[in-house]
Amino acid sequence: NAGVTQTPKFQVLKTGQSMTLQCAQDMNHNSMYWYRQDPGMGLRLIYYSASEGTTDKGEVPNGYNVSRLNKREFSLRLESAAPSQTSVYFCASSEAVRNSNQPQHFGDGTRLSIL
Amino acid sequence: GNSVTQMEGPVTLSEEAFLTINCTYTATGYPSLFWYVQYPGEGLQLLLKATKADDKGSNKGFEATYRKETTSFHLEKGSVQVSDSAVYFCALSGRTGANNLFFGTGTRLTVIP
Repeated sequence: NAGVTQTPKFQVLKTGQSMTLQCAQDMNHNSMYWYRQDPGMGLRLIYYSASEGTTDKGEVPNGYNVSRLNKREFSLRLESAAPSQTSVYFCASSEAVRNSNQPQHFGDGTRLSIL
Repeated sequence: GNSVTQMEGPVTLSEEAFLTINCTYTATGYPSLFWYVQYPGEGLQLLLKATKADDKGSNKGFEATYRKETTSFHLEKGSVQVSDSAVYFCALSGRTGANNLFFGTGTRLTVIP
């Protein structure tokens, strides 16, 4: 079972470059999420998509954009990368919209370094 | 607002020792509570959950009880193994938006033989 697949696994960028992190899930989940994980800060929500065609800001959206391409795919874009965006990025999905009992399923992460 | 405060780590234990990782929360309403585990180089995996007061979540020998009166969800295991070495995250679901999770900072556990 693939679950949630993220690409790439590692990336190094220079300040000012742009890139898109890809995420796909094969569990037919409605909701998808992007988090960043920084040392000593746990995971913080960047953006989420409650359902296909909708996206909303999370706790730390500045400097990012997202696209819910279809039910399976949810991409995260950095238009002009900054060193403060060096982090590990996780994509997640969950089954039910607005049902807090449903757990989220996570990908293995993308480790992004910005020089 | 919603927040989770988690026991600072790292925690180092000998195999077969008893484990407690403390977690307390602040939330509006009645959140669901989760423990996630992250093994090296991997994403987070759900370890256990509890959805209402006094519920006990359990999995793989780990347990946690949803205590509304103390706003706590402490993780326990009676006898840890080397394979339990990982980072453990406490989280709550705020029942707003699309099932958004609020995470603690994580506790790194190392179990030595």
